[in-house]
Amino acid sequence: GAGVSQSPSNKVTEKGKDVELRCDPISGHTALYWYRQSLGQGLEFLIYFQGNSAPDKSGLPSDRFSAERTGGSVSTLTIQRTQQEDSAVYLCASSLGQGLGEAFFGQGTRLTVV
Amino acid sequence: AQSVTQPDIHITVSEGASLELRCNYSYGATPYLFWYVQSPGQGLQLLLKYFSGDTLVQGIKGFEAEFKRSQSSFNLRKPSVHWSDAAEYFCAVVSTDKLIFGTGTRLQVFP
Repeated sequence: GAGVSQSPSNKVTEKGKDVELRCDPISGHTALYWYRQSLGQGLEFLIYFQGNSAPDKSGLPSDRFSAERTGGSVSTLTIQRTQQEDSAVYLCASSLGQGLGEAFFGQGTRLTVV
Repeated sequence: AQSVTQPDIHITVSEGASLELRCNYSYGATPYLFWYVQSPGQGLQLLLKYFSGDTLVQGIKGFEAEFKRSQSSFNLRKPSVHWSDAAEYFCAVVSTDKLIFGTGTRLQVFP
């Protein structure tokens, strides 16, 4: 597609359930990021994939969060045993290079844990 | 690791007035710096970026930013604000190859 695509756009889940959020980056972009944006908060870095290198997971807030990127393209962010504090907008971005190129963002997935 | 600080959470200006949004970066080698804008209901969009060279960089929508090493700053400016500039503005820096954002400044524009 022409831009970064995220699905679903909205997700409501019950506390304790697992959720999967999907990101389709721009074709050819080797770098892929996940961020979390909570109400009134900035963009919290979660995880960064660059080509075939091991991902930088330094921003994941707990071991309930994990992400993978298959074939250097599509990425899935998984949150296990969701908590109410996980409610936020999860943003995905991709770029051509190692953080030096413009990052293109998706519209985000709004996650609500009830 | 590099980081950026945006000291102003919320700024209000009148339409037509000048604007300056502050961004300070942490100490380190020449940083790679960016400004992004997030308009209501829209995704983040790159306004401008600084890697090296001329310290005054021009961006889209009439914005510019000046890199000042002596002040560790990369402030965003616009000479005359339009109502459509109301949005959230994020400064960002590349740190260990990844893009790290500040907490953002919300700009409100009064007619």
